Amino acid sequence: SQTIHQWPATLVQPVGSPLSLECTVEGTSNPNLYWYRQAAGRGLQLLFYSVGIGQISSEVPQNLSASRPQDRQFILSSKKLLLSDSGFYLCAWGTGNYNSPLHFGNGTRLTVT
Amino acid sequence: AQSVAQPEDQVNVAEGNPLTVKCTYSVSGNPYLFWYVQYPNRGLQFLLKYITGDNLVKGSYGFEAEFNKSQTSFHLKKPSALVSDSALYFCAVRDILGSNYQLIWGAGTKLIIKP
Repeated sequence: SQTIHQWPATLVQPVGSPLSLECTVEGTSNPNLYWYRQAAGRGLQLLFYSVGIGQISSEVPQNLSASRPQDRQFILSSKKLLLSDSGFYLCAWGTGNYNSPLHFGNGTRLTVT
Repeated sequence: AQSVAQPEDQVNVAEGNPLTVKCTYSVSGNPYLFWYVQYPNRGLQFLLKYITGDNLVKGSYGFEAEFNKSQTSFHLKKPSALVSDSALYFCAVRDILGSNYQLIWGAGTKLIIKP
């Protein structure tokens, strides 16, 4: 069966520090991969998605970037964190079929101080 | 434009009573509809989906949802609520005729089940 791992679970970082969040998927190949941010425990904002290695689409211009160095690995990064980067970051994978749901990791709670 | 509306920010239900969480959508073609649940500090869990066929779909944890094309709705229901159903619920849609594969998400509804 397929599983998705996301770490760390929580992170406290000072303003101006770098960020690296990692997500890996097991049990499937060539998944579509996604990074979402959830602010204030509510709405989901799609940040990045990837349909293949090295292919990244950005939905919202911001202080963050994403990379997909391997088929089942998706990384969210920042060179210098802002206070506004605080939030709950969720990684998800999908098959690319319209009738298939997305499957989410357990998220990373990022607090920028 | 594609959109999903969850008109209730919060729904309060007594344990044992039936519950409904509302969702309406707007797409240019036919929709693929999904419900997810999120417990505190956790990722979203897929509950159920409507693709085609029977308008009443059954999902995990005793939840079901009814697709109503004329009302463009996909309300989530459960006959008897449990305290453990308290969580945040999200409705999402894809337009099967759309060129954009991405899910369009509702803003979420907080469900509180009181003992």
